[in-house]
Amino acid sequence: DVKVTQSSRYLVKRTGEKVFLECVQDMDHENMFWYRQDPGLGLRLIYFSYDVKMKEKGDIPEGYSVSREKKERFSLILESASTNQTSMYLCASTTGEGRGNTIYFGEGSWLTVV
Amino acid sequence: GQQLNQSPQSMFIQEGEDVSMNCTSSSIFNTWLWYKQDPGEGPVLLIALYKAGELTSNGRLTAQFGITRKDSFLNISASIPSDVGIYFCAGRDDKIIFGKGTRLHILP
Repeated sequence: DVKVTQSSRYLVKRTGEKVFLECVQDMDHENMFWYRQDPGLGLRLIYFSYDVKMKEKGDIPEGYSVSREKKERFSLILESASTNQTSMYLCASTTGEGRGNTIYFGEGSWLTVV
Repeated sequence: GQQLNQSPQSMFIQEGEDVSMNCTSSSIFNTWLWYKQDPGEGPVLLIALYKAGELTSNGRLTAQFGITRKDSFLNISASIPSDVGIYFCAGRDDKIIFGKGTRLHILP
């Protein structure tokens, strides 16, 4: 079974703190994604990566950065957390083509910024 | 941009009833995926569809990839309390687009 693991399930951070959210997948997937999920807004794509050291902005990249130094690991970084970044963050991964087009999600990380 | 319209937004049903929800798009997809999300958890894949017209079952769940490639539906038969949650569709071609979810409530 594919496993996408988000290391932190629940975090409370202060405004201005730097926050790291880590995601690891064990299926050698090329593509990895970070979404945030807010009531009424659905899933919104923050950043994605299709290879090591590659990254692309999603729909709402402002206030975030990412790092992909190894294929299995994709990190989301909030350089200076703000209260409007309080949300549920979801990591996902997928391979590229054909019947491997299935997307797998992690368990989610609940971030509260106070 | 591409959008997925998922309906209904929420459903209130009696235990034992069948459920039907669908997603439609103005764009063509080569993959349709259906997920369930429990409160506080990440979405879990239920069914993946890869070919137009494909009909796939997973226990009491059945999903179909529309023949036009612009829509998909998910049916749940004989609902039980643990079916409560939010169901998402996703369409994929070069991009991955998600519906906003159908929240399923089951009345006692």
